[in-house]
Amino acid sequence: DTAVSQTPKYLVTQMGNDKSIKCEQNLGHDTMYWYKQDSKKFLKIMFSYNNKELIINETVPNRFSPKSPDKAHLNLHINSLELGDSAVYFCASSQEFSSTNEKLFFGSGTQLSVL
Amino acid sequence: DAKTTQPNSMESNEEEPVHLPCNHSTISGTDYIHWYRQLPSQGPEYVIHGLTSNVNNRMASLAIAEDRKSSTLILHRATLRDAAVYYCILKGGGSNYKLTFGKGTLLTVNP
Repeated sequence: DTAVSQTPKYLVTQMGNDKSIKCEQNLGHDTMYWYKQDSKKFLKIMFSYNNKELIINETVPNRFSPKSPDKAHLNLHINSLELGDSAVYFCASSQEFSSTNEKLFFGSGTQLSVL
Repeated sequence: DAKTTQPNSMESNEEEPVHLPCNHSTISGTDYIHWYRQLPSQGPEYVIHGLTSNVNNRMASLAIAEDRKSSTLILHRATLRDAAVYYCILKGGGSNYKLTFGKGTLLTVNP
């Protein structure tokens, strides 16, 4: 049973399209995250939701909109895709949000290629 | 944000111990030291974390300096499966509650 699962694994699309990436966790965690890993391999946090409420929103263009229908799901919708959006997107979850002890569990990533 | 400094890359031989260093001279008293690793084409994976005392788990050991300004992740017997990028991250209170990844150390394990 995969703890944090993302779909699709690969996404190839044209500039200007709108696309979504889905994430689900079966760990019973309260907090979920989206991270972006660019071509230089830097991992940066984009968003975090705790109990379906947005708590972290790093300086991400508003073309990116996370949606959390319930605690187990955090989807990422991207409007008007640009070439610079090409990256690997990772979903993650943790039991609590701000605990210094907290471990994050990551999905295997969605490789987005914008042509 | 509290910063960490790690070597860009290290090499090891299979079945030998590996010591991955991390400097964090600006660590605050409430910051935990977390280690994650990222195997090729996978998401990051939690390895170990600690505050002051040395820690052991089934994956690795974490040795923390007495002044907490540095730490070392120890893989007791490296295997080819341990080849990955290892990230040392400080996680604490205040503005440092987020898990912020740096460049990490790329570990190569030679057969």
